[in-house]
Parts: sequence; C-alpha cells; structure tokens
Amino acid sequence: ETGVTQSPTHLIKTRGQQVTLRCSSQSGHNTVSWYQQALGQGPQFIFQYYREEENGRGNFPPRFSGLQFPNYSSELNVNALELDDSALYLCASSTSGGNYGYTFGSGTRLTVV
Amino acid sequence: EDQVTQSPEALRLQEGESSSLNCSYTVSGLRGLFWYRQDPGKGPEFLFTLYSAGEEKEKERLKATLTKKESFLHITAPKPEDSATYLCAASSGAGSYQLTFGKGTKLSVIP
Repeated sequence: ETGVTQSPTHLIKTRGQQVTLRCSSQSGHNTVSWYQQALGQGPQFIFQYYREEENGRGNFPPRFSGLQFPNYSSELNVNALELDDSALYLCASSTSGGNYGYTFGSGTRLTVV
Repeated sequence: EDQVTQSPEALRLQEGESSSLNCSYTVSGLRGLFWYRQDPGKGPEFLFTLYSAGEEKEKERLKATLTKKESFLHITAPKPEDSATYLCAASSGAGSYQLTFGKGTKLSVIP
C-alpha cells in the first residue's frame, strides 16, 4: 500500500469543462505535488504545496490550480479543459518538504473528448 | 533549464542477462537523484535516492550508482517480474524539491 490514494481512477470529460481530482496523503506528509504524465512520457511537474501554501510551480497555465487541506488531502482543479489535457495525473506526497523523496499515488486517468 | 535524459528508450533482456540503464542529467545544484519503477497504469514506485557522486545503493537485483553527470541502474540476473518502465528524476535548485523526470526506459525480461 502506497499510502497515497487518488480519486477517481478514471474520468472522461468534454472539452471546455472543468474537473477536480482528489488526493489523500499519509498522516504527517506536509508536502504534496501534482504531476501530469502523457502517454509514453515521464511525469511533468505541475505544482507543489507545503503546509497548505503553493511553493513551486511548473510550466502550466493558471487554469491548473490546486488546494491542500489540513487533513493531508489535496485537490487539482483544471478549468477550460483542452484535448491535450488528456493524461495520467499523479499526486505525490512527502515529509520535510520533499527532501527525501516522494510517495506517488496510482493516478487519475483523464480523457478529454 | 534542468534536463534528464534516459537511455535506451527500450531494452529487451533474456532472463538472467545483466545490463545497465543510463540516466544523464543537467541540473543546477543537484539535491537528489531518484529512481522509480512504474508498472502499466500505476504510479511510480520509489526505488532509490542518491545524493552525492560516488554513492551506491542496492536492493535485491538492482544497484544504483551516481557520478557528477550520470546515474546508472544496474540489473543483475533479471527475472520476468523486473519488467517495467524505470524512471530517473532529479531534484535541484532552490525552493520546492520538484522532480524533473526523464522519459523512462521500458525494460522487458523474456523467460
């Protein structure tokens, strides 16, 4: 068991819609990151939250946003979905701001049609 | 801009045939070099973290090594259950410990 749970596992949305993906981390994991993994590619960093504040962001537009909650859960929100947003979205959590590596969830497979 | 390049893209080995996967990195101030294993449709599973050149870590048939520009994942006498995509990632710079991933090496071990 990885200790990081993501929901839903699969999702189909229409272009232009909005989506919220959820992640539940292990107790004590004060750092959560979100990654986008397109088919055949390595994961790409979207953003990171540390103690409920965003402390890092990758090359993703503002329509990708997130939240981290005190109960070690977090959300990734994507507005105005585009076809290229179709990917596996991974949540990763860690202690100590991520210095000792991350535990990944199994991901949410998002398909935009 | 940080870059991580993995080679080969795909590797087919006979069971018991040892080999190495390569990860070359260009980052500003390496904080850690990570190896993950990813099975189809699953999230990456942590294998190793290396922090400084010359460091080595082992786990069962896997051994990871680190130089100032590259990391290698050596697989000794692989078994079919070692078949997976192996991802290398680097953490660097100031601020968040975000990971820059390579595209991975897809390993197939044939019985």
